[in-house]
Amino acid sequence: DIQMTQSPSSLSASVGDRVTITCRASQDISSWLAWYQQKPGKAPKSLIYVASSLQSGVPSRFSGSGSGTHFTLTISSLQPEDFATYYCQQYKNYPRTFGGGTKVEIK
Amino acid sequence: EVQLVESGGGLVQPGGSLRLSCAASGFIFSSNWMGWVRQAPGKGLEWVANIKQDGSEQYYVDSVKGRFTISRDNAKNSLYLQMNSLRAEDTAVYYCARDSSTNNWSNYFDFWGQGTLVTVSS
Repeated sequence: DIQMTQSPSSLSASVGDRVTITCRASQDISSWLAWYQQKPGKAPKSLIYVASSLQSGVPSRFSGSGSGTHFTLTISSLQPEDFATYYCQQYKNYPRTFGGGTKVEIK
Repeated sequence: EVQLVESGGGLVQPGGSLRLSCAASGFIFSSNWMGWVRQAPGKGLEWVANIKQDGSEQYYVDSVKGRFTISRDNAKNSLYLQMNSLRAEDTAVYYCARDSSTNNWSNYFDFWGQGTLVTVSS
Protein backbone atom coordinates (compact mmCIF):
# COMPACT_ATOMS: atom_id res chain seq x y z
CA ASP A 1 0.00 0.00 0.00
CA ILE A 2 1.11 3.57 -0.64
CA GLN A 3 1.54 5.51 2.61
CA MET A 4 0.73 9.21 2.59
CA THR A 5 2.41 11.37 5.22
CA GLN A 6 1.31 14.92 5.88
CA SER A 7 3.17 17.58 7.79
CA PRO A 8 2.61 19.35 10.00
CA SER A 9 -0.29 17.59 11.70
CA SER A 10 -1.49 20.98 12.93
CA LEU A 11 -0.52 24.61 12.63
CA SER A 12 -1.63 27.95 13.98
CA ALA A 13 -1.79 30.89 11.62
CA SER A 14 -3.30 34.34 11.33
CA VAL A 15 -5.64 35.76 8.73
CA GLY A 16 -3.54 36.92 5.79
CA ASP A 17 -0.71 34.46 6.42
CA ARG A 18 0.75 32.26 3.70
CA VAL A 19 0.31 28.61 4.69
CA THR A 20 2.02 25.56 3.20
CA ILE A 21 1.13 21.94 3.91
CA THR A 22 3.31 19.07 2.76
CA CYS A 23 2.29 15.58 1.67
CA ARG A 24 4.76 12.80 0.93
CA ALA A 25 4.00 9.50 -0.77
CA SER A 26 5.91 6.31 0.07
CA GLN A 27 6.36 5.64 -3.65
CA ASP A 28 6.05 7.48 -6.94
CA ILE A 29 2.43 8.45 -7.63
CA SER A 30 3.20 10.76 -10.57
CA SER A 31 0.60 13.56 -10.24
CA TRP A 32 -2.27 11.37 -9.04
CA LEU A 33 -2.90 13.41 -5.92
CA ALA A 34 -5.93 15.26 -4.61
CA TRP A 35 -6.41 17.69 -1.74
CA TYR A 36 -9.58 18.03 0.33
CA GLN A 37 -10.80 20.49 2.94
CA GLN A 38 -13.01 19.41 5.82
CA LYS A 39 -14.70 21.64 8.37
CA PRO A 40 -16.00 20.26 11.69
CA GLY A 41 -19.15 18.20 11.28
CA LYS A 42 -19.13 18.61 7.51
CA ALA A 43 -18.27 16.45 4.53
CA PRO A 44 -14.91 16.85 2.82
CA LYS A 45 -14.75 19.19 -0.13
CA SER A 46 -12.50 18.74 -3.15
CA LEU A 47 -9.91 21.50 -3.64
CA ILE A 48 -7.16 20.26 -5.97
CA TYR A 49 -6.76 17.30 -8.33
CA VAL A 50 -3.87 15.93 -10.41
CA ALA A 51 -1.65 17.68 -7.89
CA SER A 52 -2.14 21.22 -9.19
CA SER A 53 -5.52 21.64 -10.90
CA LEU A 54 -8.04 23.77 -9.04
CA GLN A 55 -11.51 22.29 -8.58
CA SER A 56 -14.23 24.48 -10.07
CA GLY A 57 -15.41 27.13 -7.62
CA VAL A 58 -12.37 26.93 -5.35
CA PRO A 59 -10.73 30.32 -4.67
CA SER A 60 -7.46 31.01 -6.48
CA ARG A 61 -5.62 31.55 -3.17
CA PHE A 62 -5.42 27.75 -3.03
CA SER A 63 -2.72 26.12 -5.12
CA GLY A 64 -1.05 22.74 -5.34
CA SER A 65 2.30 21.63 -6.64
CA GLY A 66 4.60 18.63 -6.81
CA SER A 67 4.94 15.28 -8.50
CA GLY A 68 6.42 11.90 -7.76
CA THR A 69 6.56 11.67 -3.97
CA HIS A 70 6.55 15.27 -2.72
CA PHE A 71 3.53 17.57 -2.86
CA THR A 72 2.44 20.85 -1.32
CA LEU A 73 -0.82 22.70 -0.77
CA THR A 74 -0.43 26.45 -0.39
CA ILE A 75 -2.95 29.02 0.77
CA SER A 76 -1.53 32.35 -0.32
CA SER A 77 -3.49 34.54 2.09
CA LEU A 78 -5.41 32.70 4.79
CA GLN A 79 -9.04 33.73 5.18
CA PRO A 80 -11.35 33.11 8.16
CA GLU A 81 -13.28 30.46 6.23
CA ASP A 82 -10.06 28.50 5.56
CA PHE A 83 -9.68 27.28 9.13
CA ALA A 84 -10.28 23.57 8.66
CA THR A 85 -8.53 20.22 8.32
CA TYR A 86 -6.83 19.40 5.02
CA TYR A 87 -6.19 15.92 3.62
CA CYS A 88 -4.17 14.67 0.69
CA GLN A 89 -5.13 11.46 -1.13
CA GLN A 90 -3.37 9.37 -3.75
CA TYR A 91 -5.38 7.76 -6.51
CA LYS A 92 -2.64 6.04 -8.45
CA ASN A 93 -3.18 2.63 -6.87
CA TYR A 94 -5.64 0.65 -4.82
CA PRO A 95 -6.17 0.88 -1.95
CA ARG A 96 -6.73 4.60 -2.18
CA THR A 97 -5.00 6.19 0.79
CA PHE A 98 -5.27 9.50 2.60
CA GLY A 99 -2.77 11.46 4.59
CA GLY A 100 -3.42 11.86 8.31
CA GLY A 101 -4.66 15.41 7.92
CA THR A 102 -3.41 18.89 8.81
CA LYS A 103 -5.55 21.01 11.11
CA VAL A 104 -5.22 24.73 10.43
CA GLU A 105 -6.17 26.72 13.53
CA ILE A 106 -6.48 30.39 14.34
CA LYS A 107 -3.47 31.94 16.05
CA GLU B 1 -26.56 20.54 -8.73
CA VAL B 2 -24.95 17.28 -7.68
CA GLN B 3 -26.56 15.83 -4.55
CA LEU B 4 -25.66 12.68 -2.65
CA VAL B 5 -27.85 11.70 0.28
CA GLU B 6 -26.87 8.77 2.49
CA SER B 7 -29.23 6.80 4.70
CA GLY B 8 -29.31 3.56 6.64
CA GLY B 9 -26.87 4.30 9.43
CA GLY B 10 -27.59 3.51 13.06
CA LEU B 11 -26.66 1.43 16.08
CA VAL B 12 -25.88 -2.24 15.48
CA GLN B 13 -24.44 -4.97 17.67
CA PRO B 14 -21.06 -6.55 16.91
CA GLY B 15 -21.50 -9.29 14.34
CA GLY B 16 -24.60 -7.64 12.94
CA SER B 17 -25.40 -6.27 9.50
CA LEU B 18 -26.43 -2.94 8.03
CA ARG B 19 -27.10 -1.67 4.52
CA LEU B 20 -26.25 1.88 3.63
CA SER B 21 -27.88 3.64 0.69
CA CYS B 22 -26.90 6.74 -1.24
CA ALA B 23 -29.43 8.53 -3.43
CA ALA B 24 -27.77 10.49 -6.23
CA SER B 25 -29.19 13.35 -8.28
CA GLY B 26 -28.06 16.23 -10.43
CA PHE B 27 -25.84 14.19 -12.75
CA ILE B 28 -25.96 11.11 -14.95
CA PHE B 29 -25.37 8.53 -12.23
CA SER B 30 -24.51 5.70 -14.63
CA SER B 31 -21.59 7.70 -16.05
CA ASN B 32 -19.40 7.90 -12.95
CA TRP B 33 -17.44 5.61 -10.74
CA MET B 34 -18.71 5.87 -7.16
CA GLY B 35 -17.23 5.12 -3.76
CA TRP B 36 -17.54 5.02 0.02
CA VAL B 37 -15.17 6.70 2.47
CA ARG B 38 -15.44 6.48 6.25
CA GLN B 39 -14.23 8.52 9.19
CA ALA B 40 -14.03 7.11 12.70
CA PRO B 41 -14.88 9.59 15.49
CA GLY B 42 -12.08 12.13 15.83
CA LYS B 43 -9.96 10.38 13.18
CA GLY B 44 -8.97 10.90 9.56
CA LEU B 45 -10.49 9.73 6.32
CA GLU B 46 -10.30 6.10 5.21
CA TRP B 47 -11.27 4.92 1.73
CA VAL B 48 -13.57 1.87 1.89
CA ALA B 49 -14.64 0.85 -1.62
CA ASN B 50 -15.10 1.90 -5.25
CA ILE B 51 -17.39 0.58 -7.97
CA LYS B 52 -17.25 1.05 -11.72
CA GLN B 53 -20.08 2.59 -13.72
CA ASP B 54 -21.70 -0.71 -14.68
CA GLY B 55 -20.84 -2.49 -11.44
CA SER B 56 -18.40 -4.83 -13.17
CA GLU B 57 -15.43 -3.87 -11.00
CA GLN B 58 -15.29 -3.33 -7.25
CA TYR B 59 -12.32 -2.54 -5.05
CA TYR B 60 -12.07 -2.68 -1.26
CA VAL B 61 -9.73 -1.78 1.55
CA ASP B 62 -8.32 -4.98 3.05
CA SER B 63 -10.02 -4.47 6.43
CA VAL B 64 -13.51 -4.86 4.91
CA LYS B 65 -12.86 -7.46 2.20
CA GLY B 66 -15.21 -10.41 2.57
CA ARG B 67 -17.49 -8.48 4.93
CA PHE B 68 -18.64 -5.44 2.93
CA THR B 69 -20.15 -5.35 -0.56
CA ILE B 70 -20.51 -2.24 -2.69
CA SER B 71 -23.23 -2.26 -5.34
CA ARG B 72 -25.29 0.13 -7.41
CA ASP B 73 -28.63 0.34 -9.18
CA ASN B 74 -28.29 2.74 -12.08
CA ALA B 75 -32.03 2.62 -12.78
CA LYS B 76 -32.64 3.96 -9.27
CA ASN B 77 -29.63 6.31 -9.20
CA SER B 78 -28.53 4.61 -6.02
CA LEU B 79 -25.33 3.34 -4.45
CA TYR B 80 -25.26 0.77 -1.64
CA LEU B 81 -22.89 -0.63 0.95
CA GLN B 82 -23.90 -3.94 2.51
CA MET B 83 -21.97 -4.36 5.75
CA ASN B 84 -21.87 -7.77 7.45
CA SER B 85 -19.98 -9.13 10.46
CA LEU B 86 -19.65 -5.63 11.82
CA ARG B 87 -16.95 -4.85 14.38
CA ALA B 88 -16.47 -2.04 16.86
CA GLU B 89 -13.70 -0.65 14.64
CA ASP B 90 -16.22 -0.16 11.81
CA THR B 91 -17.84 2.62 13.86
CA ALA B 92 -17.60 5.73 11.70
CA VAL B 93 -19.39 8.27 9.59
CA TYR B 94 -19.74 6.74 6.13
CA TYR B 95 -19.62 9.12 3.18
CA CYS B 96 -20.90 8.37 -0.31
CA ALA B 97 -18.70 10.07 -2.88
CA ARG B 98 -18.80 10.61 -6.63
CA ASP B 99 -15.63 9.79 -8.49
CA SER B 100 -14.72 12.41 -11.08
CA SER B 101 -14.05 9.74 -13.69
CA THR B 102 -16.42 8.77 -16.47
CA ASN B 103 -13.71 6.54 -17.97
CA ASN B 104 -12.54 2.98 -17.42
CA TRP B 105 -10.33 3.97 -14.50
CA SER B 106 -11.29 5.79 -11.32
CA ASN B 107 -9.88 9.10 -10.12
CA TYR B 108 -10.49 11.32 -7.14
CA PHE B 109 -13.76 12.16 -5.39
CA ASP B 110 -15.23 15.45 -6.59
CA PHE B 111 -18.52 15.44 -4.65
CA TRP B 112 -19.39 14.03 -1.25
CA GLY B 113 -22.60 13.33 0.62
CA GLN B 114 -23.20 14.59 4.17
CA GLY B 115 -22.50 11.16 5.69
CA THR B 116 -24.37 8.66 7.84
CA LEU B 117 -23.17 7.46 11.25
CA VAL B 118 -22.73 3.76 11.91
CA THR B 119 -22.16 2.75 15.53
CA VAL B 120 -21.19 -0.83 16.33
CA SER B 121 -21.66 -1.49 20.02
CA SER B 122 -23.35 -3.90 22.40
